[in-house]
Amino acid sequence: DIVMTQSPDSLAVSLGERATINCKSSQNILDSSNNKNHLAWYQQKPGQPPKLLMYWASTRESGVPDRFSGSGSGTDFTLTISSLQAEDVAVYYCQEYFSSPLFTFGPGTKVHIK
Amino acid sequence: QVQLVQSGAEVKKPGSSVKVSCKASGGTFSSYAVSWVRQAPGQGLEWMGGIIPFFGTPKYAEKFQGRVSITTDESTNTAYMELNSLRSEDTAVYYCARGGRGIAVAGVLDYWGQGTLVTVSS
Repeated sequence: DIVMTQSPDSLAVSLGERATINCKSSQNILDSSNNKNHLAWYQQKPGQPPKLLMYWASTRESGVPDRFSGSGSGTDFTLTISSLQAEDVAVYYCQEYFSSPLFTFGPGTKVHIK
Repeated sequence: QVQLVQSGAEVKKPGSSVKVSCKASGGTFSSYAVSWVRQAPGQGLEWMGGIIPFFGTPKYAEKFQGRVSITTDESTNTAYMELNSLRSEDTAVYYCARGGRGIAVAGVLDYWGQGTLVTVSS
């Protein structure tokens, strides 16, 4: 089974500053048939369901602000918020979907304001 | 605009079962994958299982094998998750989520229900 880890567990960032969240998979999740990484990112605010931010590691879901970007390949991935806004305070989860039909979430990274 | 509307909160005794429903409006589950994800209080997201039309039969995380059943009713655009032999550790918010069409994107969960709190307590 693929195990997903994230770092850090928690992150304090000043408004307007960059936030960087790391995600690592225990196995390669790059699909050689289409050269795409089977990784998604979700944002969850308190009391709300998760919201899809990114898929294929770097494709932004419709309506997601462009201050959010995803990068990485193979086993190591990063979600970057280029200029943190107050509404970005949330927990962020990575999730692999390479092992379809089974999927695994990372443990989450909590982002708050410094 | 697709909306997934889940059934209301439940309080159950240990050893009993719970069945949570998830109705799609403004869209359909037909040809789309459906997943169920739970979140214990203060904890992260845990994928429980789902149905991908290509496979026909539901697939479950090993942790829940033998205790969970996921079904869909295309005539009513409703998905169901039934969890048996409940224990206190099953207290959580349970979410349904729609995945994409096709195996490759079945795990891209773009629409989520509002969540259903299941409390297991004697």
